[in-house]
Amino acid sequence: QPVLTQSSSASASLGSSVKLTCTLSSGHSTYIIAWHQQQPGKAPRYLMKLEGSGRYNKGSGVPARFSGSTSGADRYLTISNLQFEDEADYYCETWDSNTHKVFGGGTKLTVL
Amino acid sequence: EVQLVESGGGLVQPGGSLRLSCAASGFTFSSYAMSWVRQAPGKGLEWVSGISANGGSTYYTDSVKGRFTISRDNSKNTLYLQMNSLRAEETAVYYCAKGESGGSGCFDYWGQGTLVTVSS
Repeated sequence: QPVLTQSSSASASLGSSVKLTCTLSSGHSTYIIAWHQQQPGKAPRYLMKLEGSGRYNKGSGVPARFSGSTSGADRYLTISNLQFEDEADYYCETWDSNTHKVFGGGTKLTVL
Repeated sequence: EVQLVESGGGLVQPGGSLRLSCAASGFTFSSYAMSWVRQAPGKGLEWVSGISANGGSTYYTDSVKGRFTISRDNSKNTLYLQMNSLRAEETAVYYCAKGESGGSGCFDYWGQGTLVTVSS
């Protein structure tokens, strides 16, 4: 079963860019992942699906400021022109051959 | 517009039972896999259980096997989670999540969640 590793926290200034990382465990570097955003007190929201090739498909209404990329086992979520409403927890998700789902521990993003 | 509305949460004693429901609308419910995901206070997301589009296949995280049962009624566009022998550590917000396809794949929509509190 794959394991997803995320940094516990990140911070960046208003208007700048930040790149969050989700790392797949050994032997699972080709897996597709998804990124989800959870603003304080709210339900998670789907942002995008990100393939090992680096191709990504965003959810409905997700701003163009959000993009994805890949390098080996690392899956990235880049947020450009950071806004205060981007302050949230960000989770990556994947699944195994038995459709069991796995989440990373989440990264808490602070906008300074 | 896709909507997922959970209900059935509340306060239950350890060892007790609860049945959660998730009413779906805005998409062809019978064509998509569904799951339940929980989040304990101050903690991250934890997948609990999933079910295929036609209900023929069900999946559980190890800690709930034998105690929780996921099911769906495609005629009513509703997902269920029957939870028995509940434990204090299962206090959490329980979310209903829609899969992007009939089988495997990521979640592309989430409900607003229902709080389950297991306490005496």
